[in-house]
Amino acid sequence: AQTVTQSQPEMSVQEAETVTLSCTYDTSESNYYLFWYKQPPSRQMILVIRQEAYKQQNATENRFSVNFQKAAKSFSLKISDSQLGDTAMYFCAETSYDKVIFGPGTSLSVIP
Amino acid sequence: GAGVSQSPSNKVTEKGKDVELRCDPISGHTALYWYRQSLGQGLEFLIYFQGNSAPDKSGLPSDRFSAERTGGSVSTLTIQRTQQEDSAVYLCASSSTSRAAGYTFGSGTRLTVV
Repeated sequence: AQTVTQSQPEMSVQEAETVTLSCTYDTSESNYYLFWYKQPPSRQMILVIRQEAYKQQNATENRFSVNFQKAAKSFSLKISDSQLGDTAMYFCAETSYDKVIFGPGTSLSVIP
Repeated sequence: GAGVSQSPSNKVTEKGKDVELRCDPISGHTALYWYRQSLGQGLEFLIYFQGNSAPDKSGLPSDRFSAERTGGSVSTLTIQRTQQEDSAVYLCASSSTSRAAGYTFGSGTRLTVV
């Protein structure tokens, strides 16, 4: 079975600092996609960044970037210049045939 | 519509009652998904629709749970004879045919069974 693991249940970072959230996954697919979603207290799930497995270049979206290590099946998220609005649950996810499966999440708190 | 709409946003029901949760996906999105999120937990897949058919309903936890989708649009998730362990946030998402696009989620329905 395909699984997504996030080993850090909770993390905190000082405002304006950089933080990295870890994710490992397991898949039997040769072509797949990886995502990071953010869920603030409002409950709305928001897509932060996506990575296509066949692309070696790491995806970047403004202050958010990933470190994709395909052989190690690792997909970490780096948040630069952390802002108070980044406080949220962060879920790593991968495509599994016709659906997406999610990791258990990391609760990130940005401290003023 | 502009986004995925779910109703109601909150529902409190008595144990043993039936509930219906509604999801209105983004217009033109052919795929629709239901997930369950228990307090402080990740997202548990329930069921997936492509058009009106459900190729994957492997995540439905029991026969008390059912879902349908009509007209390739609105979907209803029904829970019969609710139990306290059904209390959770039920999230709906829709997507286009491309897996690369990811999902657009609704804001969820928080179900509390008392």
